[in-house]
Amino acid sequence: DQQVKQNSPSLSVQEGRISILNCDYTNSMFDYFLWYKKYPAEGPTFLISISSIKDKNEDGRFTVFLNKSAKHLSLHIVPSQPGDSAVYFCAASASGGGSQGNLIFGKGTKLSVKP
Amino acid sequence: KAGVTQTPRYLIKTRGQQVTLSCSPISGHRSVSWYQQTPGQGLQFLFEYFSETQRNKGNFPGRFSGRQFSNSRSEMNVSTLELGDSALYLCASSARAGGAWSNEQFFGPGTRLTVL
Repeated sequence: DQQVKQNSPSLSVQEGRISILNCDYTNSMFDYFLWYKKYPAEGPTFLISISSIKDKNEDGRFTVFLNKSAKHLSLHIVPSQPGDSAVYFCAASASGGGSQGNLIFGKGTKLSVKP
Repeated sequence: KAGVTQTPRYLIKTRGQQVTLSCSPISGHRSVSWYQQTPGQGLQFLFEYFSETQRNKGNFPGRFSGRQFSNSRSEMNVSTLELGDSALYLCASSARAGGAWSNEQFFGPGTRLTVL
């Protein structure tokens, strides 16, 4: 039973265009969401996060949108660059309850940005 | 400041054997979390240690165990290896307990375990 779902295993985008990576979750207790980027042979690196009290967080070319009613978040990358090609993981956590301190990850979406 | 280091980087074992993986967190970090990454399941939480105590545990069988030393270094052990244990094992450190649910968690490069 996957609590965090990234339904697109891969995404291909042209350089300079927008990349939109989607993530859905089922656990209404989740109140903090993060995106990680992972290159081959490296560990994931933190990209951007959002708390459930917000619906948008922006950091440079990266913006995360949260729709709590739909239990959906998305990561927008504008403009996309070839160096953004990586696997992107969505992760969620609940600040209370037994899962405190645990990050629940999606299976990842492989983004390819073509020059 | 040096990042999270994991040793070994690659490991090949056979079914039934046991394995121990090591993780050295960022200096000053006291929390270490372990994750298993497989193509089919993505990243799954194994356990978190803080100040030598296991704080949280994921949904893995008892063959998976860990410990943390007084210098915050952590080891993970898998006994009676199965083919399905082949995965990338990632360690992450953070300064505080429960730091996994913030942007304060830093991952190591992982140990690639292959079970034949």
